[in-house]
Amino acid sequence: QQQVKQSPQSLIVQKGGIPIINCAYENTAFDYFPWYQQFPGKGPALLIAIRPDVSEKKEGRFTISFNKSAKQFSLHIMDSQPGDSATYFCAAAGYGGSQGNLIFGKGTKLSVKP
Amino acid sequence: DVKVTQSSRYLVKRTGEKVFLECVQDMDHENMFWYRQDPGLGLRLIYFSYDVKMKEKGDIPEGYSVSREKKERFSLILESASTNQTSMYLCASRMAGQQNSPLHFGNGTRLTVT
Repeated sequence: QQQVKQSPQSLIVQKGGIPIINCAYENTAFDYFPWYQQFPGKGPALLIAIRPDVSEKKEGRFTISFNKSAKQFSLHIMDSQPGDSATYFCAAAGYGGSQGNLIFGKGTKLSVKP
Repeated sequence: DVKVTQSSRYLVKRTGEKVFLECVQDMDHENMFWYRQDPGLGLRLIYFSYDVKMKEKGDIPEGYSVSREKKERFSLILESASTNQTSMYLCASRMAGQQNSPLHFGNGTRLTVT
């Protein structure tokens, strides 16, 4: 019940495409869903986050879609660029589990081809 | 900008050695974390600390211990390194008192145990 399942494990798109990364959770106590972006040789950094009281959040070319009833959320990258090539982690947290600490998905390695 | 500094970028140790991984943050954050990153397994929490001299086990604490004598410094200790501890280790810090404040990661220490 503490897991966050992320798919796909890897993704290759052409420049300008819209990669979509999906995550699913089971614990209904989760109330915070961030995405972290990690470039090679660097630590992950917060990209965008959403709470379950909204169904969508946009920041620039990055959008989180959230489906509370299905317990799923996804990251969409509009007009993807080679500079978006990175590993993306979804995560979830809430006071119902893991002492409020983030539980991460296993990551998606995204390659955007020029 | 928050800076989380891990003392070594690469480390090679022999089986049975005692290994210290050091992490320092410069933003007076109360919370600090040690994660392990392995391909296909994502980020797994080893230990965390809410404040000085406090520590809590994460999801995979076996074979590890930690030390937090000063607020800015959080050390991960491998008492007797084993080959299955070969991994990328990431330190992170976070402000306390603000629900779901972002994690700030260091750039990681890649440890190889031979």
